[in-house]
Amino acid sequence: ETGVTQSPTHLIKTRGQQVTLRCSSQSGHNTVSWYQQALGQGPQFIFQYYREEENGRGNFPPRFSGLQFPNYSSELNVNALELDDSALYLCASSPGLADFQETQYFGPGTRLLVL
Amino acid sequence: AQKITQTQPGMFVQEKEAVTLDCTYDTSDPSYGLFWYKQPSSGEMIFLIYQGSYDQQNATEGRYSLNFQKARKSANLVISASQLGDSAMYFCAMREDFGNEKLTFGTGTRLTIIP
Repeated sequence: ETGVTQSPTHLIKTRGQQVTLRCSSQSGHNTVSWYQQALGQGPQFIFQYYREEENGRGNFPPRFSGLQFPNYSSELNVNALELDDSALYLCASSPGLADFQETQYFGPGTRLLVL
Repeated sequence: AQKITQTQPGMFVQEKEAVTLDCTYDTSDPSYGLFWYKQPSSGEMIFLIYQGSYDQQNATEGRYSLNFQKARKSANLVISASQLGDSAMYFCAMREDFGNEKLTFGTGTRLTIIP
């Protein structure tokens, strides 16, 4: 148990719709990162938030956006869903101590299917 | 060029035997961190072991050890005395940026332990 939870566990949407995925980090973890894991691939970094500010972004279009709240919860929003957005979405939290060794703790993920 | 390369898509190992999972990486940064994660079918990424680029000794965590060869840019995971519960996907990942915690993952190796 990492103490990181995500909801919902599974989701089915149609192309063009919008989706919001939620993550609850461990208390005291100031950093949350989101990753997209397509089937048979490793996770790809979407973006990271530190103390409610975006602090790094991967190679994803602006229709992927996020929010981080003071209560250690966060959201990933995806607009105008495309078929290729079908994937496992993972959030990961960490204290944010600026240490290379700092471990990120992952949640169980949300499996999104876009039809 | 791939930042993280895992050349073994799948491996089958007899229970109680040792197994080595290969990982090579590519970076020009002198400071970086290397991580191994285990992903069971449930989807959650479980942190196993960390190796820093300046660490003089190979990292060990229980049955897990990391064979770090900096000149060859390899960071192979060794699991001793494998157990049935070790069956999972294994991902090697690298962190290069001190400012944010972005992890770059390889494509993973599916390890199956045979009774």
